[in-house]
Amino acid sequence: KQEVTQIPAALSVPEGENLVLNCSFTDSAIYNLQWFRQDPGKGLTSLLLIQSSQREQTSGRLNASLDKSSGRSTLYIAASQPGDSATYLCAVLTGANNLFFGTGTRLTVIP
Amino acid sequence: ETGVTQSPTHLIKTRGQQVTLRCSSQSGHNTVSWYQQALGQGPQFIFQYYREEENGRGNFPPRFSGLQFPNYSSELNVNALELDDSALYLCASSLWEAGTNEKLFFGSGTQLSVL
Repeated sequence: KQEVTQIPAALSVPEGENLVLNCSFTDSAIYNLQWFRQDPGKGLTSLLLIQSSQREQTSGRLNASLDKSSGRSTLYIAASQPGDSATYLCAVLTGANNLFFGTGTRLTVIP
Repeated sequence: ETGVTQSPTHLIKTRGQQVTLRCSSQSGHNTVSWYQQALGQGPQFIFQYYREEENGRGNFPPRFSGLQFPNYSSELNVNALELDDSALYLCASSLWEAGTNEKLFFGSGTQLSVL
């Protein structure tokens, strides 16, 4: 059974810092990996999607990498801003059309 | 805005009752998935519908059932509600075709409280 783990569970950084969020998964038989952002009590916003054949994706200040063989992904956020404060979730898509989610990293960017 | 809308936004029910949650997919999408997110946890996959047929199911009992309509909107029905069913229920739509795995677009969710 696929298990997705995110470390750290919570992170506080001062504004302007670069930071890395980590995600690991136990079964490398995935179709893709997605990073989502979730604000309190809200739905999920897709940030980046990396297909299983890709190594990384970039969007603005965000860069996500994927090492499928080792079951790891990282989300790099450059020059963090207070508006980046949210919970970040990673999820892997399996052949059963099932997204397995981690429990998230709660990020606080301090002005 | 993702174009996926869910109703109602909040709902309070008592144990043993039945509930129906609704979701309108983003235009052009043919697949809808439902997720349950308990407080402090990641979302858990309930099931997916593709062209009105169930196309995958997570580890949820049969009292969780669904429908997808010809316009690709969807319902999630939960019978015999239990206290542990209290959660945020998320709907996600996508365009799924052979050989492609597109992004999922999520609605804002329905917060269900079972008393």
